[in-house]
Amino acid sequence: GENVEQHPSTLSVQEGDSAVIKCTYSDSASNYFPWYKQELGKGPQLIIDIRSNVGEKKDQRIAVTLNKTAKHFSLHITETQPEDSAVYFCAATHNTNAGKSTFGDGTTLTVKP
Amino acid sequence: DAMVIQNPRYQVTQFGKPVTLSCSQTLNHNVMYWYQQKSSQAPKLLFHYYDKDFNNEADTPDNFQSRRPNTSFCFLDIRSPGLGDAAMYLCATSSATNTEAFFGQGTRLTVV
Repeated sequence: GENVEQHPSTLSVQEGDSAVIKCTYSDSASNYFPWYKQELGKGPQLIIDIRSNVGEKKDQRIAVTLNKTAKHFSLHITETQPEDSAVYFCAATHNTNAGKSTFGDGTTLTVKP
Repeated sequence: DAMVIQNPRYQVTQFGKPVTLSCSQTLNHNVMYWYQQKSSQAPKLLFHYYDKDFNNEADTPDNFQSRRPNTSFCFLDIRSPGLGDAAMYLCATSSATNTEAFFGQGTRLTVV
């Protein structure tokens, strides 16, 4: 089955700095890679996703890159704000069964004011 | 505005006493999922329904069951909760034509 590794497990940045979280996956059949933000006591919320036919996607301060050959994908958050503090999960899945994802172990991001 | 609603948000149950968690959705999605998330861990898929077809993950214990009486509702039944079943249980939905999955706020289960 799919195996997703996520690094780092914790990340602390100063407000305004950039944050980068990296993931690798093992199953070359995976073709959909969502990123979720989970705040304390809440369910995961999709913040951005990328499909295997695209190398990069950007949405305001958030961008995701995908290297299919290396089976790497990364989340980039620029101009971080304290409200970006949360646990971020990467995930990988294939076909259209988006909810049947294999998650990374999560990164706890802390943005210091 | 909530699209995937889980009730209750917090549930306390006794060791060995059956408990049911519920999930409803207003999105009319045909796929519904149940995940277990233990403290500081990633969500782990237990099973999912594709319409009325039930799909169990290979390593989901028999203690966990699910029912989906209609498109909108899905239930998670834990027949004999153990202390190790204390966790956040997440419900999610997706459409077969759209890859995005929507999660509920979760039910935090405590076993005493």
